[in-house]
Amino acid sequence: DGGITQSPKYLFRKEGQNVTLSCEQNLNHDAMYWYRQDPGQGLRLIYYSQIVNDFQKGDIAEGYSVSREKKESFPLTVTSAQKNPTAFYLCASSIRAGKDEQYFGPGTRLTVT
Amino acid sequence: AQTVTQSQPEMSVQEAETVTLSCTYDTSENNYYLFWYKQPPSRQMILVIRQEAYKQQNATENRFSVNFQKAAKSFSLKISDSQLGDTAMYFCAFMGRRDDKIIFGKGTRLHILP
Repeated sequence: DGGITQSPKYLFRKEGQNVTLSCEQNLNHDAMYWYRQDPGQGLRLIYYSQIVNDFQKGDIAEGYSVSREKKESFPLTVTSAQKNPTAFYLCASSIRAGKDEQYFGPGTRLTVT
Repeated sequence: AQTVTQSQPEMSVQEAETVTLSCTYDTSENNYYLFWYKQPPSRQMILVIRQEAYKQQNATENRFSVNFQKAAKSFSLKISDSQLGDTAMYFCAFMGRRDDKIIFGKGTRLHILP
């Protein structure tokens, strides 16, 4: 089955710790995206990658970092510099950036206390 | 900058009724894509329907159809014969042909009542 997987579904961390969220796709899509969702805010773009070894900041990149070493994988690290990291994080992919609709993973709920 | 506005934060309708969700957008581009996504309580985002701006014909997918009014920059979603499983958050989204990312509205929470 082709699709996008995110793990884990729920993640708990102590304040001050970095944490990495996983996103893997087997759709052979070139582009991948990370969004943050807060109540009443809709989806806000954190980072996106059009192709392997390349990525760009989205609207709220501060306190986050990404890598794109493989086409299938686009992990997101939430660093201790992110002031309000507790949120629902969604990963998405599309065949090509800016040309095709995005398909989403099931999301990871991160809670930092 | 492009913006997407969904003016109805929350709606409720009875099962089997027809409901229309509103969406307006602002852009200076002539060619672009519009989408409706559904996010049920599981929080999995699902693409409902896609419209290309150069196509005059309104897109349809089974019980879901859109009313695309390009001059008015309006893109409403109509759900016919609504079902309990349609209960979800619905997001309208815009992607310009010159962009490489999608802009989402803040969503409309739809409740289908038994």
